[in-house]
Formats: sequence, C-alpha cells, structure tokens
Amino acid sequence: SQQGEEDPQALSIQEGENATMNCSYKTSINNLQWYRQNSGRGLVHLILIRSNEREKHSGRLRVTLDTSKKSSSLLITASRAADTASYFCATDAGSNYQLIWGAGTKLIIKP
Amino acid sequence: DTGVSQNPRHKITKRGQNVTFRCDPISEHNRLYWYRQTLGQGPEFLTYFQNEAQLEKSRLLSDRFSAERPKGSFSTLEIQRTEQGDSAMYLCASSVLVGLGGAFFGQGTRLTVV
Repeated sequence: SQQGEEDPQALSIQEGENATMNCSYKTSINNLQWYRQNSGRGLVHLILIRSNEREKHSGRLRVTLDTSKKSSSLLITASRAADTASYFCATDAGSNYQLIWGAGTKLIIKP
Repeated sequence: DTGVSQNPRHKITKRGQNVTFRCDPISEHNRLYWYRQTLGQGPEFLTYFQNEAQLEKSRLLSDRFSAERPKGSFSTLEIQRTEQGDSAMYLCASSVLVGLGGAFFGQGTRLTVV
C-alpha cells in the first residue's frame, strides 16, 4: 500500500518560477525522502529529512517536515527546464527501512 | 560506472514464460531492494536483502516470484509463468545499513508481457 500522497498530481510553471509540492503520509516515520524521476536518469535521491528536523536545504531545494500534520513540502526555487520530472516522497517508517512511496507530482517547466 | 546496474533494460516476453532480471548494487551497500512501478504510480516494495539474507517480502511477491542474493553481492529476480499483469518497471535499489542519504536506484528493467 502507498503511504504518501503528493499534491498536486501535476504542476506546470514557467522557467524561473518556484515550484512547491506537498506530501502527506499516514504513520509515524524515521525520515522522509524526496526523489526525482525522469526517463533519462531513473529515480534519483534528492534530499532526506529526519523526523526530528523541521527544515532542510540543498542547493535550490528546500524541504520542510511537520510531523504533527504528517506532511512535508518540497520547494524548488528558480526552476529550470531540466527540473521537468516526476517528484516522489518516500517515507521510512519501520525498522526494516523499506521505503513507502506516494504516486508522485509531475512537474513541467515551460521555457 | 559505480552506480546500481540492472539488466536487461527491456524485456518482452510471452505470457507463461519465465523471466529473470539481474541487479548489481553499489559494492559497499549491504542492503538491496526490489520495487515494482506501474505507469503513473510510485514504486511498490517487493522485497529486500541485508547482505545475502532476504529479510522481508511483500504480499505482492506471489509464489511465482523469487529473489536471490547469493554471497550478498548481485541479486536476481525471477518471475515464473508470467502474466500480463506482471508488466511493469522493476527497480532495484541499494543503500547502506541505516537510512542515511537515501537509496540509490538502477535504471530499471521494463517488462512487457504479451
């Protein structure tokens, strides 16, 4: 079963604008991870935020985590055409460290 | 290339045939995962190994599916008597022991059962 739900399902913005995607999950977690998937490079790990962290940055990426609301957001600033991809959140909720995934947000950056 | 390698990249097979996929993880990673992904969905967990031990299997992994990781290195996923519903992308990932830095995924094997 899938734990995470990304919102929106699809997002289309102009190059240079910021993109925000949200993820909600159902159970308590050890950490939450964001991945990007495109046809050229497969699934690529972007950033991991632990349950005791509230915000994390990596380059143009900013991730927030609200464990009380069981939600996370991924912000991509100054978007580029190369950011066009599907973005997935995955939660690590158990002792076996398997990841449980949402259905993803499809992001399209228009030039 | 020191990433996760999967072979073949594409496989077309007739219903009822057996297929086997191979995954070569990053050498220092002792955890290896298999996932299945269908169009428009996120990956679904199938099974994972810690070294050579298969520690968990999803209910999605019917008795037609078997996975091995001999010697804790590469892994194979075999599907016997394939069905059209098995058509999907099969993804392999590897990671270090704890969920540090996330998992590294291969490019996947796209299976089409006709």
